[in-house]
Amino acid sequence: AQTVTQSQPEMSVQEAETVTLSCTYDTSENNYYLFWYKQPPSRQMILVIRQEAYKQQNATENRFSVNFQKAAKSFSLKISDSQLGDTAMYFCAFYSGGGADGLTFGKGTHLIIQP
Amino acid sequence: NAGVTQTPKFQVLKTGQSMTLQCAQDMNHNSMYWYRQDPGMGLRLIYYSASEGTTDKGEVPNGYNVSRLNKREFSLRLESAAPSQTSVYFCASSEARGRRAFFGQGTRLTVV
Repeated sequence: AQTVTQSQPEMSVQEAETVTLSCTYDTSENNYYLFWYKQPPSRQMILVIRQEAYKQQNATENRFSVNFQKAAKSFSLKISDSQLGDTAMYFCAFYSGGGADGLTFGKGTHLIIQP
Repeated sequence: NAGVTQTPKFQVLKTGQSMTLQCAQDMNHNSMYWYRQDPGMGLRLIYYSASEGTTDKGEVPNGYNVSRLNKREFSLRLESAAPSQTSVYFCASSEARGRRAFFGQGTRLTVV
């Protein structure tokens, strides 16, 4: 079974700073997908970014980018020019390319952006 | 465009009562999922349905049953609720394996 580990339960940074959230995973598969989801206080799960394991290029979405290190099984999220609206829980998630269906989530990182 | 709709949003049950959580999606997705979210645990998969007429167990299926009524609807039933089932429940759908999952707003369930 796959596991996803987020080692930072909580982080706090000042507005406009850059912050990096860590995620590591364990799998024996070669084909899989990785995601970062944001959950603000409204409880809604919002996709931040998606990475396909066979693509070497790191995914980016505006201020959000990932550092995908396949050999190290690491998938960190970088948020540039952080904004107050970025305050939320962030979940790293793994999706098998051929095994069991469904996402495997990490326990989350609570990110607080201070004004 | 509603996306994934869950009902109800909040529910309080007494131990031993039963209830069904409803979920519907209007995106013509094949795959649908039920997750539960507990404090400090992230989301865990309860059941999933890869297509109409099929369902499979996820990581934490005990105490739950599901029905994929048609392509749009996927319900989760608690036959005899227990305090350990106090949680936030999310329904999700996806077009295909590896594609982004769309989530409903969640149901906060309290079993007393």
